[in-house]
Amino acid sequence: EDKVVQSPLSLVVHEGDTVTLNCSYEVTNFRSLLWYKQEKKAPTFLFMLTSSGIEKKSGRLSSILDKKELFSILNITATQTGDSAIYLCAGDISGNTPLVFGKGTRLSVIA
Amino acid sequence: NAGVTQTPKFQVLKTGQSMTLQCAQDMNHEYMSWYRQDPGMGLRLIHYSVGAGITDQGEVPNGYNVSRSTTEDFPLRLLSAAPSQTSVYFCASSPDRAGGNTIYFGEGSWLTVV
Repeated sequence: EDKVVQSPLSLVVHEGDTVTLNCSYEVTNFRSLLWYKQEKKAPTFLFMLTSSGIEKKSGRLSSILDKKELFSILNITATQTGDSAIYLCAGDISGNTPLVFGKGTRLSVIA
Repeated sequence: NAGVTQTPKFQVLKTGQSMTLQCAQDMNHEYMSWYRQDPGMGLRLIHYSVGAGITDQGEVPNGYNVSRSTTEDFPLRLLSAAPSQTSVYFCASSPDRAGGNTIYFGEGSWLTVV
């Protein structure tokens, strides 16, 4: 059974802290791993990772994939209260199967 | 630019009632799917469709029906609502496959079954 596991499930940090969110996966016919940010409504796309060791970066957010150890991390530096959200990791599998999502990490950034 | 439109946004149902959550997309996407999201559970796939006339079950299909008579529409039917179906429902579509970074989500439908 395809599975995506995120940790921690929730996290509270102070503004300015750096956080690392984890995602491990066991999926057959892996194609890519995706990260989404979800605030009050629908998830919004952050990163798609297909190759090991290549960091994707967008502002204070970055992510990397390790296909040998089957995990990915999402880093957020100098956190701000606007980073408070649920961060979802999803496995993308070859063929027609839709994304397999993890349970998400709820990040709360307090001033 | 409508994208993926879900209706209704909020609904309260009594146990045993039936209802349909509507989902429409105007991007001519082949792939559509329905997810439910419960607190601490991420997104779980209910049903999906790879094109008009073709549907398949996801992880949690029990108590739900779908049909795909047109490319644009993918309604989700609750046959006999139960409190366990209280959740947020998201419809999604993508152009050429069922996932990837080109997936578009609707705004969500908040359903409470009492």
